[in-house]
Amino acid sequence: EVQLLESGGGLIHPGGSLRLSCAASGFPLRKYAMSWVRQAPGKGLEWVSAISGDGGTTYIADSVKGRFTISRDNSKNTVSLQMKSLRPEDTAVYYCGKGHGSSSFGDYWGPGTLVTVSS
Amino acid sequence: QSVLTQPPSASGTPGQRVTISCSGSSSNIGGNNIVYWYQHLPGTSPKLLIYSNSQRPSGVPDRFSGSKSGASASLAISGLRSEDEADYYCAAWDDRLNGPVFGGGTKLTVL
Repeated sequence: EVQLLESGGGLIHPGGSLRLSCAASGFPLRKYAMSWVRQAPGKGLEWVSAISGDGGTTYIADSVKGRFTISRDNSKNTVSLQMKSLRPEDTAVYYCGKGHGSSSFGDYWGPGTLVTVSS
Repeated sequence: QSVLTQPPSASGTPGQRVTISCSGSSSNIGGNNIVYWYQHLPGTSPKLLIYSNSQRPSGVPDRFSGSKSGASASLAISGLRSEDEADYYCAAWDDRLNGPVFGGGTKLTVL
């Protein structure tokens, strides 16, 4: 059974940093692209970042470029999102997703972790 | 503002058929990039409903169907049920952004 579990969210001051982690199980992580998407309060889903199975190709949305970095450790079955220089507009529930087939589009998603950026 | 345009809301009564549109451009849907559809209840995990424009993952009822024509796509829900009340998002790769994008989402209300 595919399972994804995000962790690392919380309350952080503007300008601060957080590292989100996604623990994956039930499938060979190295074979699949992984993504992070988010939903801010009252807003729609937004693709934040994606990474290929071998970690060699990444995508970062313009809204977080230069501040967020995606990485993965296939040996530890984890995918991470390092977030720096956080802004109030980064406040959202962040979801980790397993890519469907060879794509970055998720077919399984974790329950999400809430990040609140506020002073 | 998303590069994929969806109506903000849609509604129907139980048993009805409703369709949700997703309009793109030559850099995404019209550029031969495949379309995905997700169902999302805020506070829960997104659920994949349709992949490759019209394919359903196992476990998704055949009441849900997807289609694509040119630079637009549609999600149809037949035999509408109260549990279908949720937000629906289309998604596709955008060649200009060189990344995946969601539509703005459509809130479906079952009257």
